[in-house]
Amino acid sequence: NAGVTQTPKFQVLKTGQSMTLQCAQDMNHEYMSWYRQDPGMGLRLIHYSVGAGITDQGEVPNGYNVSRSTTEDFPLRLLSAAPSQTSVYFCASSPVAGGHYEQYFGPGTRLTVT
Amino acid sequence: DAKTTQPPSMDCAEGRAANLPCNHSTISGNEYVYWYRQIHSQGPQYIIHGLKNNETNEMASLIITEDRKSSTLILPHATLRDTAVYYCIVASTGYSTLTFGKGTMLLVSP
Repeated sequence: NAGVTQTPKFQVLKTGQSMTLQCAQDMNHEYMSWYRQDPGMGLRLIHYSVGAGITDQGEVPNGYNVSRSTTEDFPLRLLSAAPSQTSVYFCASSPVAGGHYEQYFGPGTRLTVT
Repeated sequence: DAKTTQPPSMDCAEGRAANLPCNHSTISGNEYVYWYRQIHSQGPQYIIHGLKNNETNEMASLIITEDRKSSTLILPHATLRDTAVYYCIVASTGYSTLTFGKGTMLLVSP
């Protein structure tokens, strides 16, 4: 298994541009989520999904959209990039939404908005 | 979810046990204690979790006090590769969304 994969690894955007951060997992996990991590800070939850077709907002959802059309994929869309969205973005998955299994994290996407 | 308090940094000599404390004095009865770590620039990695009994796996041991208001993560023989930020997280039953604080930066030195 590849686990949780994220693309791209690095991205530079200009203010106002849009883009999609890709996240995929091959473990048939129900639960997937997106976090952002700013320098010197812990992770903050952006959006999460407990299964295909179901998404919900986390702590910092503004400026981001998500969809979950398949179990495997959970893309994160930046609608109109702003410098405040410069961050490292991590995607995670977990086997059961209601259980206590470990969450598996991807390697991250480092985004800079100029 | 209950909040946690961790020291911002700790040092440990290579080969010695690293004992990382976490205070969660407002934890409620159905909340578990989770530990994750994040090695520089990588995604967080699950270590261990527990409810009220002590737990051990191949990576670490988790000791939870009887009143459940605090816990200690123990790395029995720390190596340089254990240098990382360690996060103590409290989450309730059936709740998979984790709230990460700033954690403890553990520096293991030769």
